[in-house]
Amino acid sequence: QKEVEQDPGPLSVPEGAIVSLNCTYSNSAFQYFMWYRQYSRKGPELLMYTYSSGNKEDGRFTAQVDKSSKYISLFIRDSQPSDSATYLCAMSDLEGQGAQKLVFGQGTRLTINP
Amino acid sequence: SQTIHQWPATLVQPVGSPLSLECTVEGTSNPNLYWYRQAAGRGLQLLFYSVGIGQISSEVPQNLSASRPQDRQFILSSKKLLLSDSGFYLCAWRRQGFGYEQYFGPGTRLTVT
Repeated sequence: QKEVEQDPGPLSVPEGAIVSLNCTYSNSAFQYFMWYRQYSRKGPELLMYTYSSGNKEDGRFTAQVDKSSKYISLFIRDSQPSDSATYLCAMSDLEGQGAQKLVFGQGTRLTINP
Repeated sequence: SQTIHQWPATLVQPVGSPLSLECTVEGTSNPNLYWYRQAAGRGLQLLFYSVGIGQISSEVPQNLSASRPQDRQFILSSKKLLLSDSGFYLCAWRRQGFGYEQYFGPGTRLTVT
């Protein structure tokens, strides 16, 4: 079993729809969670990061963490064609030493249709 | 503000040839540095990371190596490329002691022929 599972999609939705992207994880030591957006042939761009369970909102994006279920989500409201990209979840434990490696999901490819 | 550069952006190399990819970070000091490889349709595979000059940890001991000759410079090398080395190589940095998020460079697309 992979430490982080993410449905690779592809996911295709009409413009304006609410999009839900999800990851599950097995390691209860993970405490820090991130979402990255990666456009085709570009490097991943950090969208949001959160430490706590619950919701964190930034514009049209909401990150949700449920540590009891080991489940994180990214919601995109009023989706736009410019949101078409691959979305990667990433997480880390809180060990204070070393380089703090991240564990990534496989990424979900999202297409927003005009 | 911080900026991360990678070059070259694209590279086509024959099997058996050497490789040198460079990554530099501006606007910060003593960052953690990382090399990842992303194969087509796959996730990110961590190859190497570094917490300081000359300090390299390997995650995938294949025919690749990494070096950090300066604080904000990270180099990925190979003496002889294999077909399986083709992929999208990403460099990332993290600010030590300030959270866990990493920031990625634009990447180098390597095709080994």
